[in-house]
Amino acid sequence: DTEVTQTPKHLVMGMTNKKSLKCEQHMGHRAMYWYKQKAKKPPELMFVYSYEKLSINESVPSRFSPECPNSSLLNLHLHALQPEDSALYLCASSQGTGGNTIYFGEGSWLTVV
Amino acid sequence: AQSVTQLDSHVSVSEGTPVLLRCNYSSSYSPSLFWYVQHPNKGLQLLLKYTSAATLVKGINGFEAEFKKSETSFHLTKPSAHMSDAAEYFCVVSDLRGGADGLTFGKGTHLIIQP
Repeated sequence: DTEVTQTPKHLVMGMTNKKSLKCEQHMGHRAMYWYKQKAKKPPELMFVYSYEKLSINESVPSRFSPECPNSSLLNLHLHALQPEDSALYLCASSQGTGGNTIYFGEGSWLTVV
Repeated sequence: AQSVTQLDSHVSVSEGTPVLLRCNYSSSYSPSLFWYVQHPNKGLQLLLKYTSAATLVKGINGFEAEFKKSETSFHLTKPSAHMSDAAEYFCVVSDLRGGADGLTFGKGTHLIIQP
């Protein structure tokens, strides 16, 4: 079972709202990732968690705050977003961070109004 | 440093005809190479991967790709296109570091299937 589950599938939020995106995998993977994808572009890496510790933050603005409560869950907390943050947010996981295949979820469509 | 070039931003074929999506890469190391497919409003699905075993790699849904080191290519093919193949395809190279921080995505090829 190579499944990464993301909720919600769609989210509309105002610029003053606080919301969260959630991601879950039960494949025993120890690395989890957040990507941002704009229309007609490849995904861009935001964060990497390895063994529940943040290992990479690709200079993402602080209005995006990741959290890894345990090895199966990954959250992305959103606060004071801008309209240009509207995008598809993809969660992914892999067995480790060294040469392993990365499996993606279906994504959460975020619209900031 | 590594890079990926998908040579066509759009490819249009008729249903039942062969598909060829071209990808060239550069890498300082022996890379791992992947093809992912993204259907409209969906996440990325792994089609196939090359990790230095057989140079001809078979994937899901009848797709395959051949790793040619001399040409630094990893082209994706399918003998007969189906309407359900219409999607965006990404060629991805992974260096020795592996993981997401070692991934480099191509810009994508939009595959259009004509009835």
